[in-house]
Order: sequence, then structure tokens, then C-alpha cells
Amino acid sequence: DTGVSQNPRHKITKRGQNVTFRCDPISEHNRLYWYRQTLGQGPEFLTYFQNEAQLEKSRLLSDRFSAERPKGSFSTLEIQRTEQGDSAMYLCASSLRGFEAKNIQYFGAGTRLSVL
Amino acid sequence: GQQLNQSPQSMFIQEGEDVSMNCTSSSIFNTWLWYKQDPGEGPVLLIALYKAGELTSNGRLTAQFGITRKDSFLNISASIPSDVVIYFCAGQALFGNEKLTFGTGTRLTIIP
Repeated sequence: DTGVSQNPRHKITKRGQNVTFRCDPISEHNRLYWYRQTLGQGPEFLTYFQNEAQLEKSRLLSDRFSAERPKGSFSTLEIQRTEQGDSAMYLCASSLRGFEAKNIQYFGAGTRLSVL
Repeated sequence: GQQLNQSPQSMFIQEGEDVSMNCTSSSIFNTWLWYKQDPGEGPVLLIALYKAGELTSNGRLTAQFGITRKDSFLNISASIPSDVVIYFCAGQALFGNEKLTFGTGTRLTIIP
């Protein structure tokens, strides 16, 4: 399967713990996006990478959130000192942006985080 | 964060009926996309639209990019049980990060 892969699929944690999610994009895709989706809503943009550079962060991404994409391949999203309000589905998408590539974003299955 | 206005929020239909939903924005987008999402899964792309006025089909699905570039429509003909998912529109700007701004979703339910 060459689609976007996210791990773990589900994470249950206690308030105050740190969690880390991983996203493996479609190979050769140079852009990687993180979105958050709460129940009954559409996904909301968090941050994106062009290769290994993190180029924009949404206001939704508080100081407790950090994302990395070392070597421009997989990406990790870490949440420190989790709060109950962090409970959501975290979605990763990747795309190919180039002269003739239309930057269509393909999504992974997501990581559902539950903070108790 | 910003969400596009998508309507209706939910639809109750009988199998075989046609379905229409739409999405509006206060700002212009250069690309409109329609995704479907099964519970517990990520969005799956159905149709992408790139030009104002464009009408594109994918099987029983037809979508249109509004002339004003601030809206889009999705029609599903002859609905079947596997159409029972949530549909999201998404707008994308041409420049910058090209992030997707999603609608609030339309949940489709088939009445037996």
C-alpha cells in the first residue's frame, strides 16, 4: 500500500501525559500537512511542511504542540501535557507540489486521541 | 478556525433518490474539492475542480465549481447504501501554503 500511513490509529492517554503521532507520506510527495478534526466538524489546518521545512503553523497549534519532518520524509506530531480539549482525530495529508502538480492532498486514516 | 458553510447538514433519503449539497465561502478559492469520510477514517477524494464554471463527473457524482469562485455543488444520482457517509467540501487557495479549508459536512442517511 503506497498511501499515507498514520500510527497509532488510536491513543488513549491521561491528562498531563505527552503523546507522539507518526505520519508516513506517499513517497516522493514533498508537502505534508497536519489537520485536526473534532466530532461533527470538518478537518482544520494545523501546520505544513515543504520537504523538511515547517513553513506555517495555525493559531490552533499551541506551544504544547510540536511537529517535525526530519529529512523531509516521515513526520511526527507531539503534544505535551495533554488536556481533555486535545481529544480529536489528528489527520495527516501529503501532496506533490511542483510546476505541473496540482497539490492534491491525500489523507491518512488518522490517529484518534482520547485524553481522560 | 474557519469552516465553510455547507448545507444541508444532514439528509434523509430513500435509496435511488438523487442528492444535492452545496458549499459557500466568503472568500475566493482557486480549487474546490469534494471528499467523503467513513466513520473513523480519513477523508477520501471524490472530485477536484480547478476552473470557475467547471462541471466534472465521477460515476454517479457530479460537481460544479461556481462562477463566482465562492461556491461549489455536489450531486449524487440514484443513491445506493454505500453512499451513506459524510461528505465534505474543501476550498484551496492557489498560493502560499495551499491549506484546505473544509466545510462542516453533510451526513447522508438512507431511509429503508
